[in-house]
Amino acid sequence: AQSVTQLDSHVSVSEGTPVLLRCNYSSSYSPSLFWYVQHPNKGLQLLLKYTSAATLVKGINGFEAEFKKSETSFHLTKPSAHMSDAAEYFCVVSEGDYKLSFGAGTTVTVRA
Amino acid sequence: DAMVIQNPRYQVTQFGKPVTLSCSQTLNHNVMYWYQQKSSQAPKLLFHYYDKDFNNEADTPDNFQSRRPNTSFCFLDIRSPGLGDAAMYLCATSRDPGLSNSPLHFGNGTRLTVT
Repeated sequence: AQSVTQLDSHVSVSEGTPVLLRCNYSSSYSPSLFWYVQHPNKGLQLLLKYTSAATLVKGINGFEAEFKKSETSFHLTKPSAHMSDAAEYFCVVSEGDYKLSFGAGTTVTVRA
Repeated sequence: DAMVIQNPRYQVTQFGKPVTLSCSQTLNHNVMYWYQQKSSQAPKLLFHYYDKDFNNEADTPDNFQSRRPNTSFCFLDIRSPGLGDAAMYLCATSRDPGLSNSPLHFGNGTRLTVT
């Protein structure tokens, strides 16, 4: 069985400072991991994905995530937050079939 | 260009009055999904179609049905909406059901209000 824990329900940062969103997973197999972003009243947009290639994954809008098998983590980072990064972020795990396990989400607010 | 299009963006219906939400896609993907997302929660899978093969999740209420008349379109029918069915409904597609290499593409959702 697969599951995802997002360690922070809410993260608040100042514009121009780094963002760190933490995600831990559990999986019986070699999982694929994703980060999705959801802006208010919008659908989810794929930020990046890990599928057993390079452990450091670069995504859109300056985000990146590092897969650490020993720590069962897939934390999302961005060196400099922008106001447009204010949104809900979901860490998601797949074991290869159609079933996805979503984390509970992390709300990011960006202070001017 | 929008690739997964949901209509309408906002839908208001009365308690017990049937409602249909629609989704279309220009990606020619084989798989289409319907998710329900309640406020401040993660999306919850209701069912999905792999081509014409319908797959219902075990805990999806009978009140929810779906139709996929062709590759491009998929509909969500709520036969007798209750107040608890008020939510954002998200349609998504993928090229195949193996989501490791075929990520989901989401529409912008339909927000359903039940009065």
